[in-house]
Amino acid sequence: GAGVSQSPSNKVTEKGKDVELRCDPISGHTALYWYRQSLGQGLEFLIYFQGNSAPDKSGLPSDRFSAERTGGSVSTLTIQRTQQEDSAVYLCASSLVPSGGQETQYFGPGTRLLVL
Amino acid sequence: RKEVEQDPGPFNVPEGATVAFNCTYSNSASQSFFWYRQDCRKEPKLLMSVYSSGNEDGRFTAQLNRASQYISLLIRDSKLSDSATYLCVVKESSNYKLTFGKGTLLTVNP
Repeated sequence: GAGVSQSPSNKVTEKGKDVELRCDPISGHTALYWYRQSLGQGLEFLIYFQGNSAPDKSGLPSDRFSAERTGGSVSTLTIQRTQQEDSAVYLCASSLVPSGGQETQYFGPGTRLLVL
Repeated sequence: RKEVEQDPGPFNVPEGATVAFNCTYSNSASQSFFWYRQDCRKEPKLLMSVYSSGNEDGRFTAQLNRASQYISLLIRDSKLSDSATYLCVVKESSNYKLTFGKGTLLTVNP
């Protein structure tokens, strides 16, 4: 079946511009996560959505970052007024159940963002 | 102290070698443990979960020592296709966030 998809796969932007990154989770997965992977760093949690519950935004690095999930499916991560330190791979993941246990998070291929 | 620490690597081994990866975690509330594999410029993929009693999947063996807050992954008879970055991952039972180590790069040489 189809996995997690993300678009665009690559994005080059100028400092100060806004960008939108899209994630389509696996159909039927109620939980959706955004992570960021900077060069030489581990994956960093950004935000989590589960059903109609309020998202956990505790990992967002600044108020320039925001995300929404419409209809419990597709999610968009928006970065306003991009800075060079925002350059990273942004990874989306989804899972069937939100917490506890050993359920697997399935990752999308990521969006490589380069801010010039 | 970082939440999840791994061997810095990189590891370069010949085909057929046995290689071990070590990982320690700082949060004693961590309840779920995993090894993910990430190929170059690809997304992480689950390799195996790690259970308290230790578990094996073919050439791969994972061990957990809760007292020492230590996790290991052993790869026997390594193949060229095992070349990748291996990520140690932990999760609290009350939490859905995965906390990743920085990963250890393995290159298996012919």
